[in-house]
Amino acid sequence: NAGVTQTPKFRVLKTGQSMTLLCAQDMNHEYMYWYRQDPGMGLRLIHYSVGEGTTAKGEVPDGYNVSRLKKQNFLLGLESAAPSQTSVYFCASSYAGSNEQFFGPGTRLTVL
Amino acid sequence: KQEVTQIPAALSVPEGENLVLNCSFTDSAIYNLQWFRQDPGKGLTSLLLIQSSQREQTSGRLNASLDKSSGRSTLYIAASQPGDSATYLCAVRDSNYQLIWGAGTKLIIKP
Repeated sequence: NAGVTQTPKFRVLKTGQSMTLLCAQDMNHEYMYWYRQDPGMGLRLIHYSVGEGTTAKGEVPDGYNVSRLKKQNFLLGLESAAPSQTSVYFCASSYAGSNEQFFGPGTRLTVL
Repeated sequence: KQEVTQIPAALSVPEGENLVLNCSFTDSAIYNLQWFRQDPGKGLTSLLLIQSSQREQTSGRLNASLDKSSGRSTLYIAASQPGDSATYLCAVRDSNYQLIWGAGTKLIIKP
């Protein structure tokens, strides 16, 4: 039981490049979330999903897209990376309506 | 708009001391408040959850309190150990059922 895993762990991009971050969970959770964490700030919700095939915007969705084609996977895409997207990205999952979220180890992304 | 503040941003104490971490929030209309632990290179781990109707929750050497009227929560750690070194985050679930996070307190326990 791996819990929540994130791929890759680290990535450096140049401005304008695109990439996809993969989150996978093996707990059969309905809900999945993408957060970003910046120095001196709390986690901020980017997008979330309440089930396979559904996505919704969070607090800071601009510049990101997501897809939930399979229940166990939640992908976060950056179409044209900007230096302001340099951050640590966390994925989390939970049962429907549960207060308990399980977090992945994070992806550290640097955009030059 | 709900805002969550954690002061201080960093704290260093000798091993064995009891300590208190603080969390304040601006809107008392919350469903619950959670404390999390974050270790470098790892995800966040939930420590304690306090429902809005509760005053405190305990787990081992950890005790979290909630005073909704004053917009404050504390995390008390008894008999601190080097293994307690981590960043501690608090998050409130606001009236829109969204999690609003504090920036965290980085705790260092000196052997």
